[in-house]
This record gives sequence, C-alpha cells and structure tokens, in this order.
Amino acid sequence: DTGVSQDPRHKITKRGQNVTFRCDPISEHNRLYWYRQTLGQGPEFLTYFQNEAQLEKSRLLSDRFSAERPKGSFSTLEIQRTEQGDSAMYLCASSPRRTGGLDTQYFGPGTRLTVL
Amino acid sequence: AQSVTQLDSHVSVSEGTPVLLRCNYSSSYSPSLFWYVQHPNKGLQLLLKYTSAATLVKGINGFEAEFKKSETSFHLTKPSAHMSDAAEYFCVVSEPGGYQKVTFGTGTKLQVIP
Repeated sequence: DTGVSQDPRHKITKRGQNVTFRCDPISEHNRLYWYRQTLGQGPEFLTYFQNEAQLEKSRLLSDRFSAERPKGSFSTLEIQRTEQGDSAMYLCASSPRRTGGLDTQYFGPGTRLTVL
Repeated sequence: AQSVTQLDSHVSVSEGTPVLLRCNYSSSYSPSLFWYVQHPNKGLQLLLKYTSAATLVKGINGFEAEFKKSETSFHLTKPSAHMSDAAEYFCVVSEPGGYQKVTFGTGTKLQVIP
C-alpha cells in the first residue's frame, strides 16, 4: 500500500493557462474524490467517482473545471483558463468501499496551484 | 445548513502540557463529527469520529474528543503534547445528503514548544 499519490506536487501557471493534475488512488479503491483547500480554509468537496462514473459534483465546480477517471483507476482534474482565485491546494482521496463515508477516505498530499 | 467554527486559529503549548483545540458546530440533524490532522506535505489523517454512540471518543495518538450536545461543542484534547503533534487540525461536521454536506472548519495550527 503506497498511499494516494498526486502529481505534480506544485504547479505555477499564468492566468489564462490550462492546467491538469493527476491522482493515483490506492490500488483497488473504487471511489475517488477531489477537494480544494484555499489558504486559511478547510478542504471543500469538488467531486467524486465510483469506478469511472462521476456521481456527484459540487456547485463549486465551475464549467472551467473537468474531472475524469477513464478506466476507473487514476483520475485527472483539468482547469481551463485559470484565474487567480483558482490558487489553492487540490486534494485527492480514495476509499475502498462502495458506500464510503468521510472516515473511509485516504488523502493524498495534494497539488499546490499558484496562478500568477 | 451545517457549519463548524474552530475558535482558535493558532494554539501554542509546551511539550508535555495538555492540548485543547476547540470546535463548535451547528446542524439541523444529529451530525457526524470528525477531527483530522494535516502535517506539512502529508495527507489529511483521521484522528477520531463521533456518530451518536459514546459521547467521549478516543482516537489515535492519545487524542480524544467529547461531544456535548447542549453546548454544540466537540473539543479535541490530549493530556500531554509531543513535538510530533505540531500540525494543523480540522474539525468536520457531516450531515446526511452526500459529500456536499461535509463541512471542514478553518483549521487550528498547533505549535509545540520544546
């Protein structure tokens, strides 16, 4: 069990550019979650997948954000036309159960995005 | 809607002294309550969880929390702080209705002084 991994760990981009983050869940975990944590705040739920199906999306997830999990393993989160307000830590988590509560989730170390 | 307030953004204690991190919540339901810890460059880690069983919940690393419905509080305590406890701690409230009903507090940074 190597834990949830996220890549890159840090990303600096200019406003208006597109960025993509990757999350590799713990092997055989069928649920995968994305959260956003802005400076001085706690994490906020963005979206989650069960296998390859995206089952819930937060109202925080604007049209510029898209997440995929094409084969039910790793996931990507893309932000198009980044804005300075997108600067945050993006956290990924995975859980092994079909009815995973918050306490079943294992969190990755996050990708810190800075938009200049 | 549910909400959670962490009353202190920073707490500083000396090694070996007790830790108290305060959390108040608001919920229309009987919520689930959690405490998480976040060390730099590490993932969030669950310390403990309350789900309407015993009001005193014991967690990992010697932490515990007491659910007090009359005070709508869920404070986190540890009898004796260790240097490795220095981190950010989040109180979380969760109601039925999906992951959008999970609300993290703004966090408390714990500093442990040698």
